[in-house]
Amino acid sequence: DTAVSQTPKYLVTQMGNDKSIKCEQNLGHDTMYWYKQDSKKFLKIMFSYNNKELIINETVPNRFSPKSPDKAHLNLHINSLELGDSAVYFCASSQDWGQQGTQYFGPGTRLLVL
Amino acid sequence: QQQVKQSPQSLIVQKGGISIINCAYENTAFDYFPWYQQFPGKGPALLIAIRPDVSEKKEGRFTISFNKSAKQFSLHIMDSQPGDSATYFCAASGRTGANNLFFGTGTRLTVIP
Repeated sequence: DTAVSQTPKYLVTQMGNDKSIKCEQNLGHDTMYWYKQDSKKFLKIMFSYNNKELIINETVPNRFSPKSPDKAHLNLHINSLELGDSAVYFCASSQDWGQQGTQYFGPGTRLLVL
Repeated sequence: QQQVKQSPQSLIVQKGGISIINCAYENTAFDYFPWYQQFPGKGPALLIAIRPDVSEKKEGRFTISFNKSAKQFSLHIMDSQPGDSATYFCAASGRTGANNLFFGTGTRLTVIP
């Protein structure tokens, strides 16, 4: 059983388009995250979210927005895509909000903006 | 601003050798230091983690050494195997707000048979 899943695995799109990446976790975790991994493999936190609180990394453009229809899902919406948005986006989850512990990562979505 | 600094960027080790990856941090609020392993095309996965109340933690062939006063920690892989070839990330988090992990820049390890 896949613990954290993401769709699509690959996403190729034109500049200026709006796109979404979906994430689902079946671990029963309270907290979910989105990370961006650039071409140099650098992993950077974008958002941390549970059903009560959202923490946004201040460097993330407001074109990016997380949407959570329920505790098991955290989707990432990106408006007006730019070339620099090309990267691999990882969703992750962990047991509790504010409690340090294992984060479980999804397989990633490879976004290419042309 | 890079919260966790990691070196080397890449590492080549013979099978059976010891792989050593080093990390340093500045934020004294950090008190949880995990290492993640990432294979090509996959997401990172937790390998081993340590808290600053101990100076060393060992799990199988993997050992974390932690130096609180120097604000440094390192991963040692004993008897390195070709299957260990992957990218390794150190990370750190503190007990404020969410469990946000700040990752190092990664070390690409290649173990030669």
